Amino acid sequence: GAVVSQHPSWVICKSGTSVKIECRSLDFQATTMFWYRQFPKQSLMLMATSNEGSKATYEQGVEKDKFLINHASLTLSTLTVTSAHPEDSSFYICSARSTNDNEQFFGPGTRLTVL
Amino acid sequence: GQNIDQPTEMTATEGAIVQINCTYQTSGFNGLFWYQQHAGEAPTFLSYNVLDGLEEKGRFSSFLSRSKGYSYLLLKELQMKDSASYLCAVVDSNYQLIWGAGTKLIIKP
Repeated sequence: GAVVSQHPSWVICKSGTSVKIECRSLDFQATTMFWYRQFPKQSLMLMATSNEGSKATYEQGVEKDKFLINHASLTLSTLTVTSAHPEDSSFYICSARSTNDNEQFFGPGTRLTVL
Repeated sequence: GQNIDQPTEMTATEGAIVQINCTYQTSGFNGLFWYQQHAGEAPTFLSYNVLDGLEEKGRFSSFLSRSKGYSYLLLKELQMKDSASYLCAVVDSNYQLIWGAGTKLIIKP
């Protein structure tokens, strides 16, 4: 089946640094990728929708200058958390929507801890 | 390898009961989530099980058997708005989410 990978799986960084998270669709092309944030035992909060070759669409309340999204190819989207602070510590999950059949597949998530 | 299996599609009648099964083989186990996803929307949290047994939450219940690598989501008194995809996801030993492909539930009047 379709596989979505994320890298890194987990990252610990100091406050004020920037962290880049990659999301890749390994065996299919994805025109659209989604970035979510998950709080413990809560729903996935959609942060932004990224479309290949164009600017991402951010949900209300999500700072686009803080969470930079780049969808450079049909198989790769990146989320950069700039000037990370402890409150940004969370589990970030991406998903990719297949260009062929519009099915959505989820990545394993990236656990970010900001000290 | 790690694997989550759930039926691709199920059909049920309004007012009835439906059980959606999920079986898993993962490297370690740190809990299992059930999410509901309506088309075009973000998944919403339904339940989280880490211990064996049944947890009831209104019309929805979730069951877990760790020894069998098995969970189910039980939906009672089905309503048309319950038509959605239901995703099973397991947290493995590295605290990564392993996702099932989702079960599309179709409710008929």
